[in-house]
Amino acid sequence: DAGVIQSPRHEVTEMGQEVTLRCKPISGHDYLFWYRQTMMRGLELLIYFNNNVPIDDSGMPEDRFSAKMPNASFSTLKIQPSEPRDSAVYFCASSKGQFYGYTFGSGTRLTVV
Amino acid sequence: AQKITQTQPGMFVQEKEAVTLDCTYDTSDPSYGLFWYKQPSSGEMIFLIYQGSYDQQNATEGRYSLNFQKARKSANLVISASQLGDSAMYFCAMSTRYGGSQGNLIFGKGTKLSVKP
Repeated sequence: DAGVIQSPRHEVTEMGQEVTLRCKPISGHDYLFWYRQTMMRGLELLIYFNNNVPIDDSGMPEDRFSAKMPNASFSTLKIQPSEPRDSAVYFCASSKGQFYGYTFGSGTRLTVV
Repeated sequence: AQKITQTQPGMFVQEKEAVTLDCTYDTSDPSYGLFWYKQPSSGEMIFLIYQGSYDQQNATEGRYSLNFQKARKSANLVISASQLGDSAMYFCAMSTRYGGSQGNLIFGKGTKLSVKP
């Protein structure tokens, strides 16, 4: 199994630009999570899906953030417009259920200048 | 409210010695899971070990064991025979079956472990 695949690994963009982060979960995992990691706030859940349906998006900072999961093998996290305070590492993770090990992708390091 | 607390921002251990990383949790849900993850300097999150709230025995995975004390709401990670490659950030996390955090992991702030040769 290739694991959770995220792209790109690194993204540098200018303030105001649209950024799209991509994630391919492990086949057969019904849960998909988007987390953001910063030094100040640690790991924060942004949104998670169960069977492609968004369950909890209360962690999404504001309307500039949106996430979709059009099918079981693909999800995107979009930031439009991006701001310097969005700079962080964004992780995607997938799981078979709440009490199984969550497998994380390698993360996308986003820098907004 | 669900919460994970890791009180040790950083720790040092001598190579080949054992080390315990502390984690306490707070939840009113009777059914929950506790996890430990390792994050080396390369940044990836590596799953280490899992303990269910109804599990009677402490979880073990190779050199990792979880000291689960339910009454004290603690889930400490014990690493035996530390190796240089164990130097990393370690995160304790919890998932509950009910409540506002259903289905997702809540993380502690992490403990940075440094193994000295």
